[in-house]
Amino acid sequence: ETGVTQTPRHLVMGMTNKKSLKCEQHLGHNAMYWYKQSAKKPLELMFVYSLEERVENNSVPSRFSPECPNSSHLFLHLHTLQPEDSALYLCASSQDGQGGIYEQFFGPGTRLTVL
Amino acid sequence: DQQVKQNSPSLSVQEGRISILNCDYTNSMFDYFLWYKKYPAEGPTFLISISSIKDKNEDGRFTVFLNKSAKHLSLHIVPSQPGDSAVYFCAAIPPFKGGSEKLVFGKGMKLTVNP
Repeated sequence: ETGVTQTPRHLVMGMTNKKSLKCEQHLGHNAMYWYKQSAKKPLELMFVYSLEERVENNSVPSRFSPECPNSSHLFLHLHTLQPEDSALYLCASSQDGQGGIYEQFFGPGTRLTVL
Repeated sequence: DQQVKQNSPSLSVQEGRISILNCDYTNSMFDYFLWYKKYPAEGPTFLISISSIKDKNEDGRFTVFLNKSAKHLSLHIVPSQPGDSAVYFCAAIPPFKGGSEKLVFGKGMKLTVNP
């Protein structure tokens, strides 16, 4: 596998369910990101991990809980979500701290539907 | 408040003609700009970037122009091809602060290139 992979690609869950989204990057990067893409809205940055430490949490509700066990893996744990949380969740990675290297590589996303 | 704006939600052009995608920003501290292209069911892919010290960057059929005084950038695609049909996101990044590069995205604009 190359690049950034995400599983599952599609997820339907009820509001009382607990599920997790998984992201894996095979690029040797040291920073990983979760974004949310809702219809007709800009991509929203949710969380940033640099060197496995969370460096950004953009006022995301606590029903979203990220986990970064190592520099290659990133999880987003979901609990008691709301229908308005239905969106495309994108993972990205980058090589941090190199100055001038700003490109982020994105995974294909997980399409989440909350019933 | 939206810091990166793509005010036109869609654009339709004929194959072989020029496509011009526009982007405006409000934060004068942004010093690096990127364009991403996104096909349905895929994550955004990096297309081209420009630093604030330049006013033009060209890569094949793609050219990005930056007008700092107007806080405006544009992506030119010439000649346009049907395979260019996608959603295009403009993104900006503030000065490097030793942490992870945080991209601020516009809402995206759907380009359709008709054969």
